[in-house]
Amino acid sequence: QVQLQESGPGLVKPSQTLSLTCTVSGGSISSDYYWTWIRQHPGKGLEWIGYVYYSGSTYYNPSLKSRLSISVDTSKNQFSLKLSSVTAADTAVYYCARDADHDYSGNFFFDLWGQGTLVTVSS
Amino acid sequence: DIQMTQSPPSLSASIGDRVTITCRASQSINTYLNWYQQKPGKAPKVLIYGASSLQSGVPSRFSGSGSGTDFTLTISSLQPEDFATYYCQQTYYAPRAFGGGTKVEIK
Repeated sequence: QVQLQESGPGLVKPSQTLSLTCTVSGGSISSDYYWTWIRQHPGKGLEWIGYVYYSGSTYYNPSLKSRLSISVDTSKNQFSLKLSSVTAADTAVYYCARDADHDYSGNFFFDLWGQGTLVTVSS
Repeated sequence: DIQMTQSPPSLSASIGDRVTITCRASQSINTYLNWYQQKPGKAPKVLIYGASSLQSGVPSRFSGSGSGTDFTLTISSLQPEDFATYYCQQTYYAPRAFGGGTKVEIK
């Protein structure tokens, strides 16, 4: 079955760029889904970061847009997140997820998630 | 951006209790509302999509209702495995915002 797995450094220094990759296994990333990043600050709720479609089109949360880039590499079946100029406020568990409309009703939901990866911003 | 407000932020309940969690959107989102359950250290899992459609494999004690701005998640008879945090999420507008969460604890 399709699985998602995040990878990347668990520790990033302030002002540097946080880079994470999500590998899609068991299925093709070139499908009609929105490949999404979500984060969760320690002990807090969920924050939607943004998505990429396999064509490369993206949508970013306006609160992060100036620092954010999400891209897709269909040859590797991966999509990636880059968040620049990080501060301690970017310390969080980062999840990748698949946003899908399974019954073609226009109702999208996250049906697959990675296990999440904790990224700590600290010197 | 649309703001999603859940209440209560936390609740204590006993096994077998009927539990209701509410979610309010800052503007109408039709029925584009999902509910997720998250257990500690795990990724969220979808329970309800489209406000009232039960995701495959989810027990029927979970149900959702509402449209427009006001929505409800109901657990008809709370089971031990239901102690978790529940989030609503709107998908009518981007960014697809989540509510702040409701933590269901054992009484």
